[in-house]
Amino acid sequence: KNQVEQSPQSLIILEGKNCTLQCNYTVSPFSNLRWYKQDTGRGPVSLTIMTFSENTKSNGRYTATLDADTKQSSLHITASQLSDSASYICVVSNTDKLIFGTGTRLQVFP
Amino acid sequence: NAGVTQTPKFQVLKTGQSMTLQCAQDMNHNSMYWYRQDPGMGLRLIYYSASEGTTDKGEVPNGYNVSRLNKREFSLRLESAAPSQTSVYFCASSEIEASGRSGELFFGEGSRLTVL
Repeated sequence: KNQVEQSPQSLIILEGKNCTLQCNYTVSPFSNLRWYKQDTGRGPVSLTIMTFSENTKSNGRYTATLDADTKQSSLHITASQLSDSASYICVVSNTDKLIFGTGTRLQVFP
Repeated sequence: NAGVTQTPKFQVLKTGQSMTLQCAQDMNHNSMYWYRQDPGMGLRLIYYSASEGTTDKGEVPNGYNVSRLNKREFSLRLESAAPSQTSVYFCASSEIEASGRSGELFFGEGSRLTVL
């Protein structure tokens, strides 16, 4: 069964600290993996899209990694800011559909 | 650049009432989608339209109908609303890559529907 599991479900960190969010998937065949940021009450916004051949991809303070062998991805946030408080959704694409994870809710406190 | 615009943002319905959620995109994308988001669950695809004039069922189509009015607009209709349809609805659009897979998804701000 195609599944995307994210951990932790929720995370609280202090402003300025780093954090890493995890995504494990059992989607086959694999096409690409996406990370989205969803602010409370808003629609998801794309952070990165990674294909099979990409191990690391950065977008500002966000760095995503992909290990296609172990079917794991991580999203690392460096020097967190209050504006990073949001839900982060991992999405894996196979050849014909997108499978969404349930997200990790990150709260950054001053 | 408006991107994807959804209306209404909030709606309260009584069981059995009907309503239509409107969605428009200004990015000239071929593909459009309707998702619902419920607590503790990932976004689930209701219907999608790969191109103007075509629509297909997604994962949870029961109780919904859609219309791809033109390339810009994709509406979602609830004919007889039920409490189980209380959710946040997102419209999205994307281009199709040369591989045939969907490119980056652009989402609207969501429509929050409560059915009493």
